[in-house]
Parts: sequence; structure tokens; C-alpha cells
Amino acid sequence: AQSVAQPEDQVNVAEGNPLTVKCTYSVSGNPYLFWYVQYPNRGLQFLLKYITGDNLVKGSYGFEAEFNKSQTSFHLKKPSALVSDSALYFCAVRPRGRGNNRLAFGKGNQVVVIP
Amino acid sequence: NAGVTQTPKFQVLKTGQSMTLQCAQDMNHEYMSWYRQDPGMGLRLIHYSVGAGITDQGEVPNGYNVSRSTTEDFPLRLLSAAPSQTSVYFCASSPPGTGPEQYFGPGTRLTVT
Repeated sequence: AQSVAQPEDQVNVAEGNPLTVKCTYSVSGNPYLFWYVQYPNRGLQFLLKYITGDNLVKGSYGFEAEFNKSQTSFHLKKPSALVSDSALYFCAVRPRGRGNNRLAFGKGNQVVVIP
Repeated sequence: NAGVTQTPKFQVLKTGQSMTLQCAQDMNHEYMSWYRQDPGMGLRLIHYSVGAGITDQGEVPNGYNVSRSTTEDFPLRLLSAAPSQTSVYFCASSPPGTGPEQYFGPGTRLTVT
């Protein structure tokens, strides 16, 4: 079975400070890893993904994430947070395998960027 | 492209009523899925389909039915609504290939009284 843990319910950060949203996972083999963002009353938007190669992945809106195989983590980061980054962030994992697109999501982290 | 569309946006049902949540995509994606989102629980997979004529259960399938007669459409049916099915429902699709991301619709907010 696959599972995703996002240990913090809410992350508060001052505008301009670095932002980190934590994610750890449990799945057999080397999974595909994803981050999505959800703004109020909207669907989920794709931010970035790790498939293979460089452990540091760059995505939309200045976000990046670092894959750490030994710690089974995929933390989302942004060097300088904006008020507009306030949203709900979801980490998701998908096992490798042909035809297997089933995503398992974490419970989400509410990010609040304080002006 | 319209992407993934869902109707209705909001719905209120009485316990025991049935209804169908519509989902359509115009990207010719093979894979489609339905999730429900509940506070503090993230998104949970209800049903999914890897292509027309093929569907399978996710982690919370009870009380829901799906069918996939075309590549474009993937409706979700609530057979006899219960208050526990009050939730926000999202449809998603993705193309084949290596590690594709899923594209999400705007959601349907369902309240069962």
C-alpha cells in the first residue's frame, strides 16, 4: 500500500521568507512524486513532479522540490514566499508501472503567508 | 481546449435521492478518475478508468457507480445519497506515458441533508 504524510496542518511564513512544506511517503520501489496547489474554491493545479534524474526539481511559480530517496521525502520549497502563495498544498505519490495512474494524496498543508 | 469540466458546481440532495455528477475532458486522455475531498483527509480515490469500457474501484467506492462508454465522459452516480457523501468531488484525467500529471476539474460541492 502507498501512503503520503504531510505532518504539519498549517505552515505560517512571513512574506519574503523561505517557505518549506514537508512530505514523506511510503511506497514500494521508486515512485513518481507530485505537488499540487489548491486555491480557495478551485480545483487542484499541478506544480511539479519528480520522475527520474536530478533530485532537485523546479516547477511553476518559483517552487522547487527535493527528492531524498534515503529519507523517502519530497519537500516543497520556495526561496521567497509571496502573499499570493497562500493556499492548500498537496503532495501525491504514484507507483511506477505501466498503466498505473493511481495517485495517493497526503492530507494537505494550509500555507499562510503573512504580509 | 476546455480541459476537464464538471457539472453541476453545487448540488443539494435529500437522503435517499440519486443523482449523476458529470465529468468530461476534451484532451483525449485515456485515464480518468474521481476523488472526494474532505477536510483534513486530502483527496481519496473513488473510482478510476484506464480507457473506454474499463473501470475499477479506488479506496472509497461504496455508494458510487461509474461507467466509461466514451473516452471523453466519466459520470459518477450516487445511487442512494447519504449524509456521509457530503463532500467536494473532483474529476481528473491524464494521458498515457511516463509519470504524467493529472488534470483536475473545478469540482462539485455536494450536500446531502
